[in-house]
Amino acid sequence: DGGITQSPKYLFRKEGQNVTLSCEQNLNHDAMYWYRQDPGQGLRLIYYSQIVNDFQKGDIAEGYSVSREKKESFPLTVTSAQKNPTAFYLCASIGQGDQPQHFGDGTRLSIL
Amino acid sequence: GQNIDQPTEMTATEGAIVQINCTYQTSGFNGLFWYQQHAGEAPTFLSYNVLDGLEEKGRFSSFLSRSKGYSYLLLKELQMKDSASYLCAVINTGGFKTIFGAGTRLFVKA
Repeated sequence: DGGITQSPKYLFRKEGQNVTLSCEQNLNHDAMYWYRQDPGQGLRLIYYSQIVNDFQKGDIAEGYSVSREKKESFPLTVTSAQKNPTAFYLCASIGQGDQPQHFGDGTRLSIL
Repeated sequence: GQNIDQPTEMTATEGAIVQINCTYQTSGFNGLFWYQQHAGEAPTFLSYNVLDGLEEKGRFSSFLSRSKGYSYLLLKELQMKDSASYLCAVINTGGFKTIFGAGTRLFVKA
């Protein structure tokens, strides 16, 4: 079955620590996205990538970094510069622009 | 600017019909999606509108008026499992960037 796999499901970050959230897809989709969701709010775009080796900042990119070295993988690093990282992080992909986004199950990040 | 507005919360009774409205102002429009999201889970796709009019899919229907920047999601024969958040999302021109509304939390009571 094709889909998007995010890991881990739960993640805890210590002060001053960088953490990396994994996102892998086997849907052969070109475009991939990272969103942040805070309680009671919608999805806010962090970064997106339309093709391998290319990515663009979304609306809230500060304190985050990404890479897209392979079509299947789009990891997100939450750096120590992100002072309020506690949130639900969702990875998504699209095959074509008029198709719905396929989402992973999400990673819940908390501060220790 | 870009903005999508939805009511924050709605309550309806099991078996009834509920309409969730969405208004949008975005720089370009290439289609509108509705997603359902249960607490702590990922959103799941419900419907897609790109042309004006009504799209029906079982108990769910979605309407779009591009000239008014307006859409609604209609849920019929409500069930308890329909209690969830409903997200309105617009794809901008170019088709690769989606803007999400904050979502409407629907509570279905017996």
